[in-house]
Amino acid sequence: GENVEQHPSTLSVQEGDSAVIKCTYSDSASNYFPWYKQELGKRPQLIIDIRSNVGEKKDQRIAVTLNKTAKHFSLHITETQPEDSAVYFCAATWGAQKLVFGQGTRLTINP
Amino acid sequence: ETGVTQTPRHLVMGMTNKKSLKCEQHLGHNAMYWYKQSAKKPLELMFVYNFKEQTENNSVPSRFSPECPNSSHLFLHLHTLQPEDSALYLCASSQGNGGTDTQYFGPGTRLTVL
Repeated sequence: GENVEQHPSTLSVQEGDSAVIKCTYSDSASNYFPWYKQELGKRPQLIIDIRSNVGEKKDQRIAVTLNKTAKHFSLHITETQPEDSAVYFCAATWGAQKLVFGQGTRLTINP
Repeated sequence: ETGVTQTPRHLVMGMTNKKSLKCEQHLGHNAMYWYKQSAKKPLELMFVYNFKEQTENNSVPSRFSPECPNSSHLFLHLHTLQPEDSALYLCASSQGNGGTDTQYFGPGTRLTVL
């Protein structure tokens, strides 16, 4: 079945710096790759997603890149702010309507 | 934040109890999901329902029994649970167009099994 590996498990950056989280997946048929942000005690919320027909997508300070050949995708957050502190999950589709999630990255923004 | 709601938000139960978790979505979606989120583990898919029909059971033990009476409501019936079943149970919904539609999560039920 699909396996999604996410790295690093924890990441600490200075406010204003950039943060990068990377994921690899195993199923070459995967065609949808969402990223979710989960703040402490709250639900996971979609922050950005990318489909297999594009290589990059950007939304203000957040961008995602996809390399289908290498089967990896990355989340980039620029000009980080304290409110970016959270756990971030990547995911990839497996079959119809199934999402397989990575293990999560706990991002801490240091003021 | 009110698109997908879950009740109760917190539940403590003994191993011999029977309880149910409820999820309701107000987004007009046709697919609903149950996930389990444990400490130090990724979100694990449990069940998928499309148009009230179960389309996925991810090898979930029979002590978890889902029910989907309509596209807006999803239940998870719990019976004879084990302490290792303690976790955050998240419900999600999506349009139901296939594998590429966005899933929206509820706030979760924090379950503790004593």
